Formats: sequence, C-alpha cells, structure tokens
Amino acid sequence: GAGVSQTPSNKVTEKGKYVELRCDPISGHTALYWYRQSLGQGPEFLIYFQGTGAADDSGLPNDRFFAVRPEGSVSTLKIQRTERGDSAVYLCASSPDPGREQYFGPGTRLTVT
Amino acid sequence: KNEVEQSPQNLTAQEGEFITINCSYSVGISALHWLQQHPGGGIVSLFMLSSGKKKHGRLIATINIQEKHSSLHITASHPRDSAVYICAGNGGANFGNEKLTFGTGTRLTIIP
Repeated sequence: GAGVSQTPSNKVTEKGKYVELRCDPISGHTALYWYRQSLGQGPEFLIYFQGTGAADDSGLPNDRFFAVRPEGSVSTLKIQRTERGDSAVYLCASSPDPGREQYFGPGTRLTVT
Repeated sequence: KNEVEQSPQNLTAQEGEFITINCSYSVGISALHWLQQHPGGGIVSLFMLSSGKKKHGRLIATINIQEKHSSLHITASHPRDSAVYICAGNGGANFGNEKLTFGTGTRLTIIP
C-alpha cells in the first residue's frame, strides 16, 4: 500500500511568511509524529498525535509552531513568521499504534531566505 | 551530553568488509530503533528491538539492556549499503512515551 507522503517536497519562503506543511500517514495508523532535521544532525522530535489529539507537543520550539490533525488522519504543521533558523527538513512518521515501528515520509525541505 | 550517542561518526570501508556501528544511551528505554537514511533524506526503519538480537538479510542488530548499548552489523558490505545509519530510543521515563530520541548518525561509505 501507499506509504507516508508529505507535501510539498520543497518549500522556499521569505523570512516572516507563514507556511503549512502537510503529512498523509499510512491509512489506519493512529499515531503520527513530526520531526525536524537540520543539516548534519539527527532528527529532533516536535509533536506526536494519537488520533486527533496532540499527545505530546513538548518538542515544538516556540509558539510560532502549531500542528493539527482534525480528523485523525492528515496532519498539517504550521509555522508563523518564519525565521532563517527554521530552515530544515521536516519529517513526518506514522505508526499503527504508539510505541510500534514508525514509518517515515520523504520529508519537506524548508528553506527560509 | 546527548542521550543517544553513536560511533563512529563516519566510517569508510571496502566492499565485502564486516561493518559494526555502535550506539549507547544514557537512560532507560523500552525500545531501540535502527534507521537508514539515504542521500535525499528518506528514512527507512531497519530494526526495532528491546532485547537480544534480530537479523534481516545481511543486517544484524543486538542490544544489551544492562550496558545500555546496541550494535548494528552489516556482513559482506556492498556499495549500496552506503547511507547514514541512525539509532533512536523511545519509551522509558526519561525518553518519554513513544517519541524517538535520535543519535546524530553514522555516515557509512562502502568503496567498490
């Protein structure tokens, strides 16, 4: 079946703009995770959804970052007033249940100029 | 100090060599994951283990819970194994529920 998909694959935006990054998890997966990977680093946790609710948002760096998953499937990561330091690859992963193997999407490369 | 540390950071080997990548973690976990990331960013889960040893093809992963240490081995390495290998832990009081805490990765290059 289809894997995790993310759109767009690349996004270039100007400093101060608003961006939305989309994640389509594997159908039926209840757990959805957002991670951020800066160049040369391992991914870092941002937020985790179980169903529609954010079970853990402790990794969101500040209040410019927000994520939703209104119907328990697709999730959108929203970044307001983007800064150059937000430039990174944003990875989404889904899992059949929490604590099980995670399946990663290809990522969205965000560049803030 | 990172909660998950890997060594070496970079590894270059000749085709056919036996490869070992090490991962140490500082606090208790419920599961340890080995992931492979190819140039371009795609991450593939190789193993998820909480004890003992798992094998898939030429890849073997082991974990020693008491020593808080895991290893990933590749037998008969091939240029297509060239990638970044990342270990990550989840669960346990300090790592926090199901989110993954990642090491910085080991860049493996296999020369033909």
